[in-house]
Amino acid sequence: EIVLTQSPATLSLSPGERATLSCRASESINSHLAWYQQKPGQAPRLLIYDASNRATGIPARFSGSGSGTDFTLTISSLEPEDFAVYYCQQRSHWPPNTFGQGTKLDIK
Amino acid sequence: QVQLVQSGAEMRKPGASVKVSCKASRYTFTTYGISWVRQAPGQGLEWMGRTTPHDGHTNYAQRFQGRVTMTTDTSTSTAYMELRSLRSDDTAVYYCARDFPPLDQNDYVWGYYFDNWGQGTLVTVSS
Repeated sequence: EIVLTQSPATLSLSPGERATLSCRASESINSHLAWYQQKPGQAPRLLIYDASNRATGIPARFSGSGSGTDFTLTISSLEPEDFAVYYCQQRSHWPPNTFGQGTKLDIK
Repeated sequence: QVQLVQSGAEMRKPGASVKVSCKASRYTFTTYGISWVRQAPGQGLEWMGRTTPHDGHTNYAQRFQGRVTMTTDTSTSTAYMELRSLRSDDTAVYYCARDFPPLDQNDYVWGYYFDNWGQGTLVTVSS
């Protein structure tokens, strides 16, 4: 089973700053990685799929990069609504489709 | 836009079963699979398994094999997840989610992402 390790566990930043979140896979998953955003009491929302493709309706300030084992989600300039928990998820070696443990992005 | 509407919260005793429903609308139900993902209180996301509506094909995470059944009713565009032999650590919010990409763009070599989600169903297991 592929293990996804996200870092950092918590990231404290201010609105307007740039956020960089990391996800590392235990073995190569090509580009088969997605990122999700989850706010308290809500279902997750797909942001990025296949490492770098924005899902429908996702603002351009969200971007993804990486391949193989190392991936990055970048939020270019944080808006107040971006403070949430972010999960990565792989579909390369399945079942199961596995998720990382999450990075909490909170307001500094 | 796509909608997935789940059934309401449930409480069960240990050893019992629960069946959660997920009604899909505003897309062609048979063109996408449905997955189930759960989230224990304060914890991360865990994929449980998925089903293909038009033929009933299922893929389950190994840890749930033998304890979970995922089905669909194409006449009502509804997916179901039944979990048996419930334990206290099954207490979680259970989400249905639409698989992405659609079935005609994937041949089970690769797994799925999840592009639309239900609102979640809290299942509480307690004696």
